Amino acid sequence: RKEVEQDPGPFNVPEGATVAFNCTYSNSASQSFFWYRQDCRKEPKLLMSVYSSGNEDGRFTAQLNRASQYISLLIRDSKLSDSATYLCVVKEITGGGNKLTFGTGTQLKVEL
Amino acid sequence: DAGVIQSPRHEVTEMGQEVTLRCKPISGHDYLFWYRQTMMRGLELLIYFNNNVPIDDSGMPEDRFSAKMPNASFSTLKIQPSEPRDSAVYFCASSPRPNTEAFFGQGTRLTVV
Repeated sequence: RKEVEQDPGPFNVPEGATVAFNCTYSNSASQSFFWYRQDCRKEPKLLMSVYSSGNEDGRFTAQLNRASQYISLLIRDSKLSDSATYLCVVKEITGGGNKLTFGTGTQLKVEL
Repeated sequence: DAGVIQSPRHEVTEMGQEVTLRCKPISGHDYLFWYRQTMMRGLELLIYFNNNVPIDDSGMPEDRFSAKMPNASFSTLKIQPSEPRDSAVYFCASSPRPNTEAFFGQGTRLTVV
């Protein structure tokens, strides 16, 4: 079983739609969670951190369920520019280390 | 700040040759990560350093791969000898401290023919 699992997609949605991505992680010791965005042939960049109480940044909402080891990302009123791959990221901090594990990503295509 | 700087951006080499990838992390960042990305396997952590010391190299595929960080501003990932299955995009990333995001370089696209 992979440490971080995501539905690879692609999700093809019309502009203005609401779309949700899910992610599960296997290590209950994981301590920090993030969503990254990666455009085609570019490096991953942080979209937002995920906090236990859930958090929102404009059209983007992230949720964390530690009991189920589940993370979600909701995008409202999707734009053409949201087309990208969204990577779920889990960080473990053990023995002074700082291991950051990525899911394989979910591809989103927003269409006119 | 210029961000994480990787070189070269692209590398094409013949099977059996030695390949060296370079990375300059963001100044003041204590953590440096090397990742490999392929279509099949996504982003895989190869190794990471804390204050120039390798902490976890369990992701390094085999003995052909080695990484060093001789000082806080420079790291290398070496593949010797290279094989076609090593073809991938190799990213370097740095992070200032635990529980914070990692900042990625633009990557090195390696093709081994």
